[in-house]
Amino acid sequence: GQQVMQIPQYQHVQEGEDFTTYCNSSTTLSNIQWYKQRPGGHPVFLIQLVKSGEVKKQKRLTFQFGEAKKNSSLHITATQTTDVGTYFCAGHTGTASKLTFGTGTRLQVTL
Amino acid sequence: DTEVTQTPKHLVMGMTNKKSLKCEQHMGHRAMYWYKQKAKKPPELMFVYSYEKLSINESVPSRFSPECPNSSLLNLHLHALQPEDSALYLCASSLRPGVSNSPLHFGNGTRLTVT
Repeated sequence: GQQVMQIPQYQHVQEGEDFTTYCNSSTTLSNIQWYKQRPGGHPVFLIQLVKSGEVKKQKRLTFQFGEAKKNSSLHITATQTTDVGTYFCAGHTGTASKLTFGTGTRLQVTL
Repeated sequence: DTEVTQTPKHLVMGMTNKKSLKCEQHMGHRAMYWYKQKAKKPPELMFVYSYEKLSINESVPSRFSPECPNSSLLNLHLHALQPEDSALYLCASSLRPGVSNSPLHFGNGTRLTVT
């Protein structure tokens, strides 16, 4: 079945440092979605990328979708303590109703 | 805050109990989902309802029984659970079934402990 892996599993940064998480799928994706889950919370939708090579920005967050539509990345510039949480990528393959989540990257930010 | 409401927030049940988890949304979404999430793991899809009909069952054991009484409500009936079923159960909805670019809106979840 489809597998979506993320690296790293965990990253601890100091506030102000940059952070990147990488998402790799074993199969081609029709689109990629990113979610953030705060500790003790639920996943919250951040953004969706659809086109090959697409890049989108949300303030300090930059999202990329690979040319082959099998990988994606999320880069956070100058992290803040409010960025703490687990970031999941998620993608659809053949079945539009079935969203497969990546393994997640847990980000810890300290002062 | 979320527009998908789940009750209860916490549930402790014995292996012989019967309980139900409830989920409600009033956004007019026609796809509703149950996910199970263990600690430090991603959400795992259990069931999908499209236009109130069960469209996906990810080979979930029969001790979990979903129900969608109408377009706003989703239930998960629990019976004879095992301790390994302890997890966070997340309900989600999306605007249109079968449309891959429709993001999921999650509820706060029910944290279930089976003793």
